[in-house]
Amino acid sequence: QSALTQPPSASGSPGQSVTISCTGTSSDVGGYNYVSWYQQHPGKAPKLMIYEVRKRPAGVPDRFSGSKSGNTASLTVSGLQAEDEADYYCNSYAGSNRVFGGGTKLTVL
Amino acid sequence: EVQLVQSGAEVKKPGESLKISCKGSGYSFSTYWIAWVRQMPGKGLEYMGIIYPGDSDTRYSPSFQGQVTISADKSISTAYLQWGSLKASDTAMYYCAHQGDVLTGYYAFDIWGQGTMVTVSS
Repeated sequence: QSALTQPPSASGSPGQSVTISCTGTSSDVGGYNYVSWYQQHPGKAPKLMIYEVRKRPAGVPDRFSGSKSGNTASLTVSGLQAEDEADYYCNSYAGSNRVFGGGTKLTVL
Repeated sequence: EVQLVQSGAEVKKPGESLKISCKGSGYSFSTYWIAWVRQMPGKGLEYMGIIYPGDSDTRYSPSFQGQVTISADKSISTAYLQWGSLKASDTAMYYCAHQGDVLTGYYAFDIWGQGTMVTVSS
């Protein structure tokens, strides 16, 4: 099972919106509505930001939103804030397996 | 409070064995899947496998099948990840993660341990 494809980096100025893509196949992203997104700050454990493509856990700001079209899922961060600077990983259910994306480093300029 | 607490950092030599742990609290440990995730230095997250402590049903990622063993002891609410013979390439941070349910997200990892750093060096 290959890793999901994410851009290595993304950036935006405070207040702007940024979208990070996550491309898989019909065996993972395209086949199930079980895509999740994780935020990881340096030296910290990952934190769940989005689950089941577009749902937010309690406590996650509504500036974070998720979507999916075909084999590609996306995470959009609106109204960028300095604390959003982190690494972001997508993950998809893939039958009896799970697969992560390679990660995207989001920089707030 | 639902939390996962992992065992401390380890420094081992190539060829040695190791078992690290992940203790759950604040929820019914037996009824939620626990996953293990590797993060090599400066690299991304890699899914290793998952276990259901209630009956020890275990699923491995093809990339890690045969390389590690995942187990659990529900009587003490603890999951384990073990190696029979470590290699330098096993040097990484290892996280355990709680998989959610209908309320917290099917097939999503909603609670994470703090991580266990494993260093393998001669």
